[in-house]
Amino acid sequence: QKEVEQNSGPLSVPEGAIASLNCTYSDRGSQSFFWYRQYSGKSPELIMFIYSNGDKEDGRFTAQLNKASQYVSLLIRDSQPSDSATYLCAVKVSGGYNKLIFGAGTRLAVHP
Amino acid sequence: DGGITQSPKYLFRKEGQNVTLSCEQNLNHDAMYWYRQDPGQGLRLIYYSQIVNDFQKGDIAEGYSVSREKKESFPLTVTSAQKNPTAFYLCASSTPDRGGSEAFFGQGTRLTVV
Repeated sequence: QKEVEQNSGPLSVPEGAIASLNCTYSDRGSQSFFWYRQYSGKSPELIMFIYSNGDKEDGRFTAQLNKASQYVSLLIRDSQPSDSATYLCAVKVSGGYNKLIFGAGTRLAVHP
Repeated sequence: DGGITQSPKYLFRKEGQNVTLSCEQNLNHDAMYWYRQDPGQGLRLIYYSQIVNDFQKGDIAEGYSVSREKKESFPLTVTSAQKNPTAFYLCASSTPDRGGSEAFFGQGTRLTVV
């Protein structure tokens, strides 16, 4: 069973629209959740992190966490062509060893 | 400037050779990670280390080895037992002091078997 699941996409949205990226995880004890953006051929860069249930906003980005449903999402408002990238969901699983597990990523394409 | 440095950026390996990828960080992070990424795929965990002289196998450790003799360094050796080593290798570090601190990545090493 995969520990972190994402829809691989591609998710295609028009410029200016809201892009919604979703992620589910299997370890109910996980406490820390991260969204990374990765451009082709580059290393991942952190977009958002969230630890508590609810929403967390940072500029055009909003992370949403629902621990009861084991679900975390990322909303990108006013999507721009420069947002076109692969978005990776990561979960730091419980157990004391700081094991950080990534989903396969969702490819987002924002078209003008 | 603090950061994570991976070297080399590109590496070519002949069949049957062992090669070592370097990862150095000056962020004073305790935890370090090695991931492998294949084209169009996500990151798969090879090894991780929470503290000096301790490391744990990830999901795809076969054919790889690591050491953690210094806090700053976490080299990865790709052995000849790894039959399909061509991939993009990423090293990351984080501090486990808090429950949810984020991981920062190096620029990656692209390994190709020739």
